[in-house]
This record gives sequence, C-alpha cells and structure tokens, in this order.
Amino acid sequence: EPEVTQTPSHQVTQMGQEVILRCVPISNHLYFYWYRQILGQKVEFLVSFYNNEISEKSEIFDDQFSVERPDGSNFTLKIRSTKLEDSAMYFCASRGELRAFFGQGTRLTVV
Amino acid sequence: KNEVEQSPQNLTAQEGEFITINCSYSVGISALHWLQQHPGGGIVSLFMLSSGKKKHGRLIATINIQEKHSSLHITASHPRDSAVYICAVIFPGGSQGNLIFGKGTKLSVKP
Repeated sequence: EPEVTQTPSHQVTQMGQEVILRCVPISNHLYFYWYRQILGQKVEFLVSFYNNEISEKSEIFDDQFSVERPDGSNFTLKIRSTKLEDSAMYFCASRGELRAFFGQGTRLTVV
Repeated sequence: KNEVEQSPQNLTAQEGEFITINCSYSVGISALHWLQQHPGGGIVSLFMLSSGKKKHGRLIATINIQEKHSSLHITASHPRDSAVYICAVIFPGGSQGNLIFGKGTKLSVKP
C-alpha cells in the first residue's frame, strides 16, 4: 500500500525557534493537508493545500505557520517562532480518489 | 455549532466478539471518515463514505444520512484491533480536508 512519509518522527526544540516538519505525500495525489493533535485531545485541521496554494486554513493556522511544496515532492509545515502550546503530534495527509492517507506523524516538543 | 460525538468513549471486548462503535453529528455532512489510530500515534484511514455501507475484511461502516449517524462494526474481533477509532466528518462549506474529528473510541480486545 502507498505511504505518506513524515520526518522527523520526533523533534525537540527551544521556544522561539523555527521548525520545519517534512512530509512526502503519495506521488500522484494533488490534495495535501496538515493536522495536529495535542496530547489527550482531538485531532484538529490546520490547512489544505492544492495546486501550490492554500485552499483552506483553520483559525489555528495563524501567521506563525506556513506551508510549502518546494520541489514537487516534499510538503512542509513551518512554524516560525515556536511556543510551548505548539507541542503536539503533527500529521500530514494526502488524498486520492477514494480515501486519504496519513503519515505516521511528527511529535513536536517545545521546551 | 458543528459537533461530532462518538460512543462509547472506551470499549473492552473479548476476542471474537462483534463490536459496534457509533458516531453522530449535528448537521448534514458531505462525507464521513472512519480512522484508526494506533498506540504509537499513527493514523490509518479505514473508510470514507457519504451514503450506504462499505465493507473491508472484518470491518463494516454504515451511514444513515437522515438520522445523522454512522456505525463502525468489527466482526470476529482480535487483539490486534486494539486501537483508537476516530470518526471525522466534512461539514457543508468545508474543503475535502477540513475534517472535524470526534474524540475517538478506545478499543481494547482481550485474548
């Protein structure tokens, strides 16, 4: 079965630092998404990306966040200046015709 | 407010039992996903449906649009089915990736 790959699996960063979370979606998919899950809470939608631009974003996705597809294969989520409350599991997903495929997640810990 | 409610919150079953997990939502939806989240955190998409019933192996998902309700059934449950099962919906006006997630049902199947 095809896979969405996320790196790193775990990242620890100091508050105020920039982080980039990386995702390799499934190659023929056109729709890409980021979600996050704070420990013990529901998964939450962050952003949809299609045709090299953001198609929808949630209230969580403020100016500190950005997404990019720099080289046609990677799909990145950047957090410019991390806060303690950004600590969460971040999931990337890409969508095909019948269903979505999720990555294994990156656990971000901000200290 | 658009809500997704799942029941039960926790479920313990003996191996071989038939399991039902329920999901209800507050307003009409475009589509509904059933997802499985493993203890390590990774998410797997099980089904995406907007009407009727889908079956894959021992898993069956049904949706009743009029009653705003979906069920996930597992036949002949096995300890490897132990995971958190999450219902997620797309409300009208949302993009395909703008999923509203339920809190999940934690299933534990004992041998």
